[in-house]
Amino acid sequence: ELKVEQNPLFLSMQEGKNYTIYCNYSTTSDRLYWYRQDPGKSLESLFVLLSNGAVKQEGRLMASLDTKARLSTLHITAAVHDLSATYFCAVLRGETSGSRLTFGEGTQLTVNP
Amino acid sequence: NAGVTQTPKFQVLKTGQSMTLQCAQDMNHEYMSWYRQDPGMGLRLIHYSVGAGITDQGEVPNGYNVSRSTTEDFPLRLLSAAPSQTSVYFCASSRFSEQFFGPGTRLTVL
Repeated sequence: ELKVEQNPLFLSMQEGKNYTIYCNYSTTSDRLYWYRQDPGKSLESLFVLLSNGAVKQEGRLMASLDTKARLSTLHITAAVHDLSATYFCAVLRGETSGSRLTFGEGTQLTVNP
Repeated sequence: NAGVTQTPKFQVLKTGQSMTLQCAQDMNHEYMSWYRQDPGMGLRLIHYSVGAGITDQGEVPNGYNVSRSTTEDFPLRLLSAAPSQTSVYFCASSRFSEQFFGPGTRLTVL
């Protein structure tokens, strides 16, 4: 059974600081997703990581994937209040289609002024 | 393109009632899925479809039925609603690597 674990589950940080969210998964997968969710809203796609060593960056967020360690990280650089949201990683279940994802519990990020 | 649309946005049911949550996409995607999200948890897969006429169960299928008669539509049916089905339901469609999520339906079962 595929399990996806995120840590931390809650993160409170000051503006301007850096931090990393970790996503571990239990079985082999070559595709990992990061999403952002604002309260009461749907999921917004941030990154799709397709291969070992993949690194993607968008603004203050950078995601990486190590398939051998079964680990992905979401690094936040110089956090700003607008980044406050819940972040989910999700892993594709052993197939090439995008229809079956297993999600982590989410990391609730609060960026304080 | 409207993307993935879901109706209704909110629904309150009584225990034992049945209803259908609607999901449609206009991107000609082969793959569609239904997830539920409970407080403090990530999304869990209910049912999914890899094309018209083909559906399969996900992690938490009990109490739900699906069908896929067209590429565009993937309705989720609650046969006899229970309070444990109180949740937010998201429909998603995908082709190749990217998933697109609908706005969600917030369901309360009393």
